[in-house]
Amino acid sequence: GAVVSQHPSWVICKSGTSVKIECRSLDFQATTMFWYRQFPKQSLMLMATSNEGSKATYEQGVEKDKFLINHASLTLSTLTVTSAHPEDSSFYICSAAGTSGMADTQYFGPGTRLTVL
Amino acid sequence: DQQVKQNSPSLSVQEGRISILNCDYTNSMFDYFLWYKKYPAEGPTFLISISSIKDKNEDGRFTVFLNKSAKHLSLHIVPSQPGDSAVYFCAAKEGTYKYIFGTGTRLKVLA
Repeated sequence: GAVVSQHPSWVICKSGTSVKIECRSLDFQATTMFWYRQFPKQSLMLMATSNEGSKATYEQGVEKDKFLINHASLTLSTLTVTSAHPEDSSFYICSAAGTSGMADTQYFGPGTRLTVL
Repeated sequence: DQQVKQNSPSLSVQEGRISILNCDYTNSMFDYFLWYKKYPAEGPTFLISISSIKDKNEDGRFTVFLNKSAKHLSLHIVPSQPGDSAVYFCAAKEGTYKYIFGTGTRLKVLA
């Protein structure tokens, strides 16, 4: 149980285009989902926290107009990188926190490698 | 300011021996800690957690120790196996769901 999927796993795009990444909790309902970014050989940096049906809460320094997050259902959250630039190239990972007995643990997706040319 | 620190970026251990990964934190309000294992280009996998009301939690080959007075926790893996080679992150829970991650320790188990 507690499987989280991400799609796509790898994407290359041209500078100036937008990219959407999907995060799905496959076998549980996730009231809260998280988006992280990881640079090479660095820790996971929390970008934002999203609760189903409400606006995401962004961490300091993260541009909410650039990284659009939608959490429309208890099993799906999306991250859209708008007008992507090469500096947005990174490994993006989502996680989902379950309800009730699973509330203390975040379960992570496999990540999405974004390369902006 | 790094609230969760893993001061050893890498560790090499012989197969069958004990691996000890360390983690320090600065915020005494943290009351729940987790360890995750991560392979390259994959998401972290949950390993084990511990609440601040305990000082030890064991799950198979993995044991986490918590020393609240020292604000220190450690993950012990016994016996270490080559498949344990990965990057290990400790994390502290802040508030309801937010995690603060350390910078990770790369463990290499030598056959």
